[in-house]
Amino acid sequence: DQQVKQNSPSLSVQEGRISILNCDYTNSMFDYFLWYKKYPAEGPTFLISISSIKDKNEDGRFTVFLNKSAKHLSLHIVPSQPGDSAVYFCAASGGGTSYGKLTFGQGTILTVHP
Amino acid sequence: NAGVMQNPRHLVRRRGQEARLRCSPMKGHSHVYWYRQLPEEGLKFMVYLQKENIIDESGMPKERFSAEFPKEGPSILRIQQVVRGDSAAYFCASSPGSSDTIYFGEGSWLTVV
Repeated sequence: DQQVKQNSPSLSVQEGRISILNCDYTNSMFDYFLWYKKYPAEGPTFLISISSIKDKNEDGRFTVFLNKSAKHLSLHIVPSQPGDSAVYFCAASGGGTSYGKLTFGQGTILTVHP
Repeated sequence: NAGVMQNPRHLVRRRGQEARLRCSPMKGHSHVYWYRQLPEEGLKFMVYLQKENIIDESGMPKERFSAEFPKEGPSILRIQQVVRGDSAAYFCASSPGSSDTIYFGEGSWLTVV
């Protein structure tokens, strides 16, 4: 049972435009959500997080939106840069467990073209 | 380098051998997590440890896999009698506490031949 889903395996965007990556979850006990970025042969790098008491969190070019009723979150990158090209993973935790026990989506490959 | 350190980065083992993967958490972090990424899949939680204690091992395969985080030294993920299906990237992460964001190491790539 895939509790965290990223339905778009890949996304291609022009440099300077907005990248929108989407993520859906099914477990209503999740209360903490994160986005990680990963380059090949490297570990995931933490980007941004949001707790369920908020619906938006912003950090520089990265904004995460949470829609609890729809069990949906999205990551907006504005403006997109070629260096943003990587695999982006959505992750979730909660339900009384450690925030480090994460359930990951399958990832979305973002390609930003110059 | 104050990040999570994993070694070896790459490990090749023959079927039936043992694999040991090591992880030194970031300075000041006493919580360690191990994740596995099989080819073409997302990361899957394996085990959560604090110093000398296994807190949650609900993601560990029932046989051949074990983990420890001793009072001194790195955390060790041990895989006995490896099989081809164990070939994967194994990532360690650490955090200062159970309610904190976790930070990942560079990973250890295990290949079983």
